[in-house]
Amino acid sequence: AQKVTQAQTEISVVEKEDVTLDCVYETRDTTYYLFWYKQPPSGELVFLIRRNSFDEQNEISGRYSWNFQKSTSSFNFTITASQVVDSAVYFCALSQDTGNQFYFGTGTSLTVIP
Amino acid sequence: DSGVTQTPKHLITATGQRVTLRCSPRSGDLSVYWYQQSLDQGLQFLIQYYNGEERAKGNILERFSAQQFPDLHSELNLSSLELGDSALYFCASSDASGTYNEQFFGPGTRLTVL
Repeated sequence: AQKVTQAQTEISVVEKEDVTLDCVYETRDTTYYLFWYKQPPSGELVFLIRRNSFDEQNEISGRYSWNFQKSTSSFNFTITASQVVDSAVYFCALSQDTGNQFYFGTGTSLTVIP
Repeated sequence: DSGVTQTPKHLITATGQRVTLRCSPRSGDLSVYWYQQSLDQGLQFLIQYYNGEERAKGNILERFSAQQFPDLHSELNLSSLELGDSALYFCASSDASGTYNEQFFGPGTRLTVL
């Protein structure tokens, strides 16, 4: 079973639009960690955020914000006033205590059109 | 620059051959993780080493093996290569013993099997 689902394969937005990338996860552990990584065209994966399962507070970092909802097993990522430099593939990931495993979603390719 | 180095950057080889990918973690990080990124499988966690010992195993094939040396660099050995092994192989490092912390990714090694 897919542990992390990113249903949106590709999204295109016009610059300055807001965009939300969806992430739904599945785990039976009570302690787990969720991540978002960005993979720009250069290919290297860049860490964006980490949340643990006990902290449901939403987080904002500049134009980026994250909404963690345990009730729906979702950890969505919103980019406000998107810019061309935001064009990348974004991966949601889950770290699970059981088996010390790490799962990436299939990624959402975001294109910001100038 | 994440501080994680990987060599070589590109590798082209033939089916049936064996190759070794090398990774040096960030200074101070004791954990090294290996990932495979391919078009059909996405980003998959292969294996983690912590301070020289194997800590977690993901979807790593029996033809693949890894080790971490006393100086903490790691090598991923791929043998009896098949066309389907063509992929981007990432190494990451962190200061955690598990998979629950931020991981810093190297630039990757692109393996092409002909």
